[in-house]
Amino acid sequence: ETGVTQTPRHLVMGMTNKKSLKCEQHLGHNAMYWYKQSAKKPLELMFVYSLEERVENNSVPSRFSPECPNSSHLFLHLHTLQPEDSALYLCASSRTAFPAGLEADYGYTFGSGTRLTVV
Amino acid sequence: RKEVEQDPGPFNVPEGATVAFNCTYSNSASQSFFWYRQDCRKEPKLLMSVYSSGNEDGRFTAQLNRASQYISLLIRDSKLSDSATYLCVVNPMDSSYKLIFGSGTRLLVRP
Repeated sequence: ETGVTQTPRHLVMGMTNKKSLKCEQHLGHNAMYWYKQSAKKPLELMFVYSLEERVENNSVPSRFSPECPNSSHLFLHLHTLQPEDSALYLCASSRTAFPAGLEADYGYTFGSGTRLTVV
Repeated sequence: RKEVEQDPGPFNVPEGATVAFNCTYSNSASQSFFWYRQDCRKEPKLLMSVYSSGNEDGRFTAQLNRASQYISLLIRDSKLSDSATYLCVVNPMDSSYKLIFGSGTRLLVRP
């Protein structure tokens, strides 16, 4: 398998449930990211990981808990979510979280996303 | 002021038309710039990086104006398959490699 794979593709959960989103990249990249995309809003950066170390946490509520066990896998653990958390959650990876020179021109590769509905 | 601003559109053009999108960014220290394309209910995909000298990839031309802090994307000879949302993306380079996305400009190419 190549690229960035996210599972599940769709998830419906109640506000008291606990669930996890999974992301796996097969590109040999060292940085991974979680973004949230709500309807009619731009993508919002949630977390940045570089070689399993969290380097950015963008004021995300504690009901979202990321985990990066190795540079190929990234999880987003969800608990006690609110209906306004319903969105498309996108995982991305890049060669490095600290690019120099031309490395900054490669951008991200995104997974297909998990469409989350909180009921 | 938003970090990255785009006209949401939609731009509704006939096949074969030339269409241009602009985008402005607020952080003058930003160093890398991109256009991504996002189809309905799909993930964003990198269309092209934007270089200081401007760059072209087939029917697509990207330009960067650092003095005015704007980026443009020109699409020539529009195809039906170009219908999508085009996202302007900026890396503010203030810490780690985090890309800041605009809300997107929607393009509809009609037959």
